[in-house]
Formats: sequence, C-alpha cells, structure tokens
Amino acid sequence: DVVMTQSPLSLSVTLGQPASISCRSSQSLVYSDGNTYLNWFHQRPGQSPRRLIYRVSTRDSGVPDRFSGSASGSDFTLKISRVEAEDVGVYFCMQGTHWPYTFGQGTKLEIK
Amino acid sequence: QVQLVQSGAEVKKPGASVKVSCKASGYTFTDYDMHWVRQAPGQGFEWVGRIDNVGATTTYAQKFQGRVTVTRDSSTSTLYMELSSLKSDDTGLYYCARDWYGSYDHWGQGTLVTVSS
Repeated sequence: DVVMTQSPLSLSVTLGQPASISCRSSQSLVYSDGNTYLNWFHQRPGQSPRRLIYRVSTRDSGVPDRFSGSASGSDFTLKISRVEAEDVGVYFCMQGTHWPYTFGQGTKLEIK
Repeated sequence: QVQLVQSGAEVKKPGASVKVSCKASGYTFTDYDMHWVRQAPGQGFEWVGRIDNVGATTTYAQKFQGRVTVTRDSSTSTLYMELSSLKSDDTGLYYCARDWYGSYDHWGQGTLVTVSS
C-alpha cells in the first residue's frame, strides 16, 4: 500500500499568519491518465471531513482562495495564506491513484 | 444537494455482526462508486471497501477480507456495509463516501460502532 506521511502532526498558528502542511507519498501518484489524484480534507471536531482540494491543486467550490495545494515530485503541500479561526481542526491528505486509497495521519491545527 | 445520511450508532458484543446503511439523495445513485472508510478513536482514516456504481464489483481491504460485505440497493439509493465477527478494535466511526475520480467529494455523517462486552 502507498504510505502517506504527513508533517507536522500538530501546528499552532497565530491568526492571520500562514500555515503549511506537507504530505509525502511512498511512490509516485501520477496515474496512467497523467493525473495526480492527491486530495486534501479538513475535519472539524465532531464533523465529517470536507474536501478542500483535489488533483493536487484544484480547490472545491466554496473553499476560500487562502487555501492552495502544490506538488514537487512525491511531496505535496497544503498552504493557508492567512489562518482564520474557522480553520481549526484536522487536515489530512489522501491519495486516490493506487488501490487501496490511503490517508495521511492528519495534522491538527490550533490557534495560538 | 447531495446528501449521504447514515444509520444511527450501534453497540455490539464481540463476535456479533453489524450492518450500517447510507442513504443517498440529490444525485443519480447509480452514477457513482461508493466506499466505506473507518476512523478509529483518535486515529486516522482506514479504507474498508468499495462497490462499483451498479453493484457488480466489490473490493475490500485485505485486513477486512472475509468479514466485510458491501452492498447497494438502487431501488432505495442505499449503500450498506456489514461487518461480522466484531472485535473490540473494530470500534470506531464508519463513514460512507462518494467516489469521484480518485477522491471523496461527499461523506456521510458517520456511524459510531462500539464493540464491547
């Protein structure tokens, strides 16, 4: 199975400051169709996950543009340009290129 | 709007079985594959299994092979997951999720399954 290694596992950020979360895959996530099926989700306490970004960098409808995704080889990054109070919770990556789909361990973001 | 509404919490004894449902609405049920994912207490997510859009093919995680069955009923737009021979470490939140090209674009609200003697 593809191992998704996230870092850091916890993050404490001052409101208005940037945040960055990394996810590294144990093998290439480029599918035979040329697409890279790397997703980012946000889960608030007591809620279901919500997808933020798919295919590395495409934001879902309604997701603020302060969220962005990027890749460099097998290293993927989720960036929040200016953290807001509503951004607290757990962020996790998920690859959908290889069976079975696998997940990062999650990064807990809190406000400092 | 797309909704995935799961059945309520379950408490089961070790060795028993549990069947969780996920009722879909707001889209054509037979257009999408569906998955089940587990989140153990304080842990990350673990893929359990999936069924194709018409219910012809299922695929299960190796660790659940032989214990899990995923089915779907297109007449009621409902997805099911049955897990047998329950153990205490099966305790967790079970989510259904809609698969859209290697991604989960919609999730159910989760069903807590507690296995305890």
